[in-house]
Amino acid sequence: GQQVMQIPQYQHVQEGEDFTTYCNSSTTLSNIQWYKQRPGGHPVFLIQLVKSGEVKKQKRLTFQFGEAKKNSSLHITATQTTDVGTYFCALNSGGSNYKLTFGKGTLLTVNP
Amino acid sequence: NAGVTQTPKFQVLKTGQSMTLQCAQDMNHNSMYWYRQDPGMGLRLIYYSASEGTTDKGEVPNGYNVSRLNKREFSLRLESAAPSQTSVYFCASLPATGVSPLHFGNGTRLTVT
Repeated sequence: GQQVMQIPQYQHVQEGEDFTTYCNSSTTLSNIQWYKQRPGGHPVFLIQLVKSGEVKKQKRLTFQFGEAKKNSSLHITATQTTDVGTYFCALNSGGSNYKLTFGKGTLLTVNP
Repeated sequence: NAGVTQTPKFQVLKTGQSMTLQCAQDMNHNSMYWYRQDPGMGLRLIYYSASEGTTDKGEVPNGYNVSRLNKREFSLRLESAAPSQTSVYFCASLPATGVSPLHFGNGTRLTVT
């Protein structure tokens, strides 16, 4: 089956520092999605990447999709306490049924 | 629109008891999913229903059954609960197969003693 590795598992930063989480797949992906889950909440969709080498930005968040479509990253510039939560990548390798395989997530904590 | 609604929000069961987790969506989505979330394990797919009338196993289906009652509702049943099924359960829905984000419910926190 499809394997997905997400690192790091945990990251603690001081407010204002940058943060990056990485997602790697064992197979070539048709697309990748990123979700954020606040403590006690449910996952909320952030973005979807489809094209090889794609880079998308949402304010302080930058998302990249690797050239080989096997890896992706999420970078947050100058973290804020509102960034606290777990960030998940979700992979879809394609096919007729749409199944997303989630990474184990990166828990980000921010010290004010 | 309420989106994806899960009931109950919390439940405590004794080993061997049965229960059904309910999920309903009002967005006319085709596909619906059940995930479980355990610390350090991310979200693991239990069962999904790509369309009304179909269901398929996900990554961790053992000990669960599902029913896609109609387009709106997708229930998850535990016939004989075990402590290993203590988890947070999320229902999610998707507009159509293809490139779309999942919409999640608020989750059901289940404890089996």
